Amino acid sequence: EVQLVQSGAEVKKSGGSLKISCKGSGYFFDSYWIAWVRQMPGKGLEWMGSIYPADSDTRYSPSFQGQVTISSDKSINTAFLQWSALKPSDTAMYYCARQDDAFDTWGQGTMISVSS
Amino acid sequence: EIVLTQSPATLSLSPGERATLSCRASQSVNGYLAWYQQKPGQAPRLLIYEASNRAPGVPARFSGSGSGTDFTLTISSLEPEDFAVYYCQHRSNWPHNFGQGTRLEI
Repeated sequence: EVQLVQSGAEVKKSGGSLKISCKGSGYFFDSYWIAWVRQMPGKGLEWMGSIYPADSDTRYSPSFQGQVTISSDKSINTAFLQWSALKPSDTAMYYCARQDDAFDTWGQGTMISVSS
Repeated sequence: EIVLTQSPATLSLSPGERATLSCRASQSVNGYLAWYQQKPGQAPRLLIYEASNRAPGVPARFSGSGSGTDFTLTISSLEPEDFAVYYCQHRSNWPHNFGQGTRLEI
């Protein structure tokens, strides 16, 4: 069974750093893009960026370029999303998704709450 | 970048009725258009990929159509579990933007 399992919810202070993870199983992790998607409370889905684990090719939405860093470690079948200086406006649910013909498998989501 | 505009923002229907949701792209997406369903507290679920292909396990009452810049998701006869938010998304080029969503409510 293809599965993506994300790390748990986080509560952080503004200005802090954070790295969340997304571990794939049940398929050849290297061969599929992994995307990160933000959903702010009560709002829609926003594509943040995607990474191809085989060669770490990474693409960012202009809205998120420079705000976050996407990385992966194919030796442990895991993709990461990180912030160096969190803001209260980063409070949201973050999903990872496997990208084939579309985003066919989604993680359960990681809720990030940032207080000032 | 390609902008996707979904309409209507909210659609109020009853079980058994037919639902028609629209997604319009600011330029051609070459058929690389997907539809997702999201229920409260859940991750999105892929319904349709490449405009008209149902994802595995998706009921036949869901169908997608369209080409170029205009796409439609049709639910032929609404079941109670179909009331949710629906998003379209393209992968024609980067960034792979989503539409703003259509809320399907009773």
